Amino acid sequence: TQLLEQSPQFLSIQEGENLTVYCNSSSVFSSLQWYRQEPGEGPVLLVTVVTGGEVKKLKRLTFQFGDARKDSSLHITAAQPGDTGLYLCAGAGSARQLTFGSGTQLTVLP
Amino acid sequence: ETGVTQSPTHLIKTRGQQVTLRCSSQSGHNTVSWYQQALGQGPQFIFQYYREEENGRGNFPPRFSGLQFPNYSSELNVNALELDDSALYLCASSDGTSGYNEQFFGPGTRLTVL
Repeated sequence: TQLLEQSPQFLSIQEGENLTVYCNSSSVFSSLQWYRQEPGEGPVLLVTVVTGGEVKKLKRLTFQFGDARKDSSLHITAAQPGDTGLYLCAGAGSARQLTFGSGTQLTVLP
Repeated sequence: ETGVTQSPTHLIKTRGQQVTLRCSSQSGHNTVSWYQQALGQGPQFIFQYYREEENGRGNFPPRFSGLQFPNYSSELNVNALELDDSALYLCASSDGTSGYNEQFFGPGTRLTVL
């Protein structure tokens, strides 16, 4: 069974601060996706990383896939209240299903 | 391009009843996956359908069953509802030929079992 552990579980910061969310596993994934979910809505895909060591940037968000394709991180620079939400990582293995982490609930205070 | 839609948005049932949830996939997508998301948790994979056939199943009992129709829409059926079945049920569609398995989610159905 493939498992993904996310940390921290909860994060509350002031507007303008930087933060990093981690996603770790003992399993290798063919790709890893990051989603953001707001209350009452489904997860929205932010990015897919595929290659070990890959770094992708989406405005103030930087995503990195570990060299061994077992872990990933999401770094947000100068967080804004609009970044508030549940951030989920999900790994795709040999099966077609996605294995999700438990999520990081981010609150950015104005 | 039409996104993933789900119905109903909310549902209240009592223990022992049966429920059917519906999902219309995004245009051009032939694969539908269903997930259960308990409060404060990440989604848990229930099963996936590809071209009307079940294509993978998570650790859920047989009372969770599904269908996919020729237009790639899908249903999730749950029999003999239990209190622990209360959750947000998410449907996601994807292009089965994509190697990255990127999935696009609907807004979910919030099921409450009393």
